[in-house]
Amino acid sequence: KQEVTQIPAALSVPEGENLVLNCSFTDSAIYNLQWFRQDPGKGLTSLLLIQSSQREQTSGRLNASLDKSSGRSTLYIAASQPGDSATYLCAVRYSSGSARQLTFGSGTQLTVLP
Amino acid sequence: NAGVTQTPKFRILKIGQSMTLQCTQDMNHNYMYWYRQDPGMGLKLIYYSVGAGITDKGEVPNGYNVSRSTTEDFPLRLELAAPSQTSVYFCASRGTEGDGYTFGSGTRLTVV
Repeated sequence: KQEVTQIPAALSVPEGENLVLNCSFTDSAIYNLQWFRQDPGKGLTSLLLIQSSQREQTSGRLNASLDKSSGRSTLYIAASQPGDSATYLCAVRYSSGSARQLTFGSGTQLTVLP
Repeated sequence: NAGVTQTPKFRILKIGQSMTLQCTQDMNHNYMYWYRQDPGMGLKLIYYSVGAGITDKGEVPNGYNVSRSTTEDFPLRLELAAPSQTSVYFCASRGTEGDGYTFGSGTRLTVV
């Protein structure tokens, strides 16, 4: 079964710290991988999209990496701020199986303490 | 603003009632999706569509129906609401193969 796993489920860090969120997937045959942010009671906001041919993508203080051979992606957040507190979701589009759908991890709930 | 619009934002249903969750997008995307999100869980795909007139089941389709008569609209129908359908429902769309997904703001449904 094609799955996506995010560990840890929750993370609490002091403001200013650099941090890494982890995402692992079970099949290296992926089309692309997308990181989302979800604030409590809100919808999903796309942060970064990495195509299978890419190794990383950057947007401001965020950097996402992709290693298909090991089935892993990381989201690096530099100089964290209280406003970064949210749940971060990793989603993978697999190349095979149920076509054209995203498979989601359960998310990492991040709290940045002032 | 261009994007995916969902209505209503909140709804309380009684067991056995029916309702339609509306989803519309103005980006001319062919691909549209319905997901549900339960507390502490990832999103699960209910139904998807690859274009007007074409729909298919996802991972958790039981108790739901969809239609896609236009490119813009992809409504989700609940015929006989059950407490197990209490969830947050998200609609999403995607353009070409390399595009990421754009999500709506969600509909929070409670069945009592």
